[in-house]
This record gives sequence, structure tokens and C-alpha cells, in this order.
Amino acid sequence: QLQLQESGPGLVRPSETLSLTCTVSGDSISSGDYDWGWIRQPPGKRLEWIANIYYSGSTNNNPSLKNRFAISVDTSKNQFSLSLSSVTAADTAVYYCGRYSTSIGWFDPWGQGTLVTVSS
Amino acid sequence: DIQMTQSPSSVSASVGDRVTITCRASQDISSWLIWYQQKPGKAPKPLIYSTIGLRSGVPSRFSGSGSGADFTLTISNLQPEDSATYSCQQAKSFPLTFGGGTKVEIK
Repeated sequence: QLQLQESGPGLVRPSETLSLTCTVSGDSISSGDYDWGWIRQPPGKRLEWIANIYYSGSTNNNPSLKNRFAISVDTSKNQFSLSLSSVTAADTAVYYCGRYSTSIGWFDPWGQGTLVTVSS
Repeated sequence: DIQMTQSPSSVSASVGDRVTITCRASQDISSWLIWYQQKPGKAPKPLIYSTIGLRSGVPSRFSGSGSGADFTLTISNLQPEDSATYSCQQAKSFPLTFGGGTKVEIK
């Protein structure tokens, strides 16, 4: 059964870098059948897509985040990661990882999500 | 970017009712429209793809329709377990964008 699990710190100080990892089990990122992505949801707000990555390292990014982020993949660990620099309170959100089907255009499944709070 | 606007933001209905949720795109997205269901504290789950395609395992009381820029999610015969927030997502082009969500409550 395919599962995705986010991991990372729950609290990050303003201006620091947020780093999250998504560990995939039950499927191989290297299969090449899907992209892998990050989505976030600030409290009480809509979902916001951050970026997708393919096992080869090619990416699609949300320009609204103004290049503060980087997404990477480690096929040997079957993981992909997100880093977001210069965080502010506006980056406080539940961060989800998901498997993205380019043929359908949806994320399925999603990880359970991890709440990241930016606060001093 | 393609903006996605949902209405209403919330709806309260009784068990057995029919509920209709609308999603409007700021430009033509053909049929590249996804619907998700999200319960409190949980990740979204996809319900419908390509406007009308029902994900395996999703009850047939859920249906989608529309094309171009206007889309609808209909829940027929509303059940207590359908209490959730429903969000649309366009998959026509990057950046992927989501609607603001519609909270469905059971009276």
C-alpha cells in the first residue's frame, strides 16, 4: 500500500530555513510513472501548491514563492525534500506531500501532513 | 495564474438532500478539473478527476459536471459522513491552483 510520510521540525524561527522530507513507501520514486509534490495549507486558508519534482530532478515550481524554496529528490532513500528559506509567519501552514499524476492532474495519495509554525 | 473561485463557502443541508457546489475558473481549463474532500485534521482525498471521472471507491452519489470555466460537484442523497470541506483544483496548467473550499455541514 502506497504511503507518504512528511517529517521535519514543527517550529521554525523567522528568517531561518524550513526543511521537510517526504518518505515514500509502497512505490518507487524511480519508477518514473509519477511526479512528487508539495502542497501547503495555512490555517483557515486554501490549499497552495508549492512544487513538483520528477525522479530525474526536473521540477515545476510555483513562482509566487519567489525562489525561496528548493525541491530535491533522493532516489536511493525513496525520499524527496523541500526547503524554504527566509521564512515568516505567513509560511505557517500544514505541509503535505503527495504523488502527482500528470495524466490526471491530481495528487493521490497525500501524506498526513505536518504542521509547521514560524515563530520566535 | 488561473484563479479558482468556489461558491458557496459553506452550506448546511439535511441527510438525503442534494447539495451542489460550484467552481469557476478565471479562464478556460477544458475538463482539467479535480475535486477533493477534506475532513478536519486530515489530508484531502481526491473524489473526481477530469470533471466527471469518479475515483475508484468513491460513492456514486458524488458526481461532477461542467466544462470550460464552470464546474459543479453534486452530492445526491447527502449522508452524515459527507460532512467535510470540498475543494476544486485546476490541472490545466502550472502553477496548479485550488478553490477556496466549500464546507458542507449536516443539519
